[in-house]
Amino acid sequence: GDSVTQMEGPVTLSEEAFLTINCTYTATGYPSLFWYVQYPGEGLQLLLKATKADDKGSNKGFEATYRKETTSFHLEKGSVQVSDSAVYFCALRDVTGYSTLTFGKGTMLLVSP
Amino acid sequence: GAVVSQHPSRVICKSGTSVKIECRSLDFQATTMFWYRQFPKQSLMLMATSNEGSKATYEQGVEKDKFLINHASLTLSTLTVTSAHPEDSSFYICSAKEGGREQYFGPGTRLTVT
Repeated sequence: GDSVTQMEGPVTLSEEAFLTINCTYTATGYPSLFWYVQYPGEGLQLLLKATKADDKGSNKGFEATYRKETTSFHLEKGSVQVSDSAVYFCALRDVTGYSTLTFGKGTMLLVSP
Repeated sequence: GAVVSQHPSRVICKSGTSVKIECRSLDFQATTMFWYRQFPKQSLMLMATSNEGSKATYEQGVEKDKFLINHASLTLSTLTVTSAHPEDSSFYICSAKEGGREQYFGPGTRLTVT
């Protein structure tokens, strides 16, 4: 079955540091890939997505590139802020599913001033 | 943007009682709603998918009689945990979508069964 693996957290960084959160996936076919963010006490928000190989999703300074050859969708940001502290979820949606999402376990990011 | 609310945000109930969690789409028609369960430091696990006016489709291993889902209108779905036990304590999250659009998630409900 489909699965998503992302790095264990928490990831602790200082403000303005470079961020990478690794995500790899296993799926049949060519899934769509997503990053969601969950701020404390809030629901999940779609951060960015990519629907086909070599697509780059970007939003709010975050980027991720759909790498079919390595089945990866790593999240990056060049300079994190304290306000980026949250839990980040990598997810996939298989083309055969009825819009059901398969999530990774989530990675907590803590950014200190 | 599309907003999904859940009520209550936290609930504590005694073992053996039932508890109902509401999920509402505030500014769009939710033709499909999803219910997820999240354990600490774990993934969101899909429990069931419901289409308005139809019976919910449950994922393998999810007890239909334990977790009753009703999607009676285009803006409201409810999850009722019947005869709750401590092992049902978890974080329950709903999401909703309109047609082929993306899912929007609610803020979640923390259920504690004592």
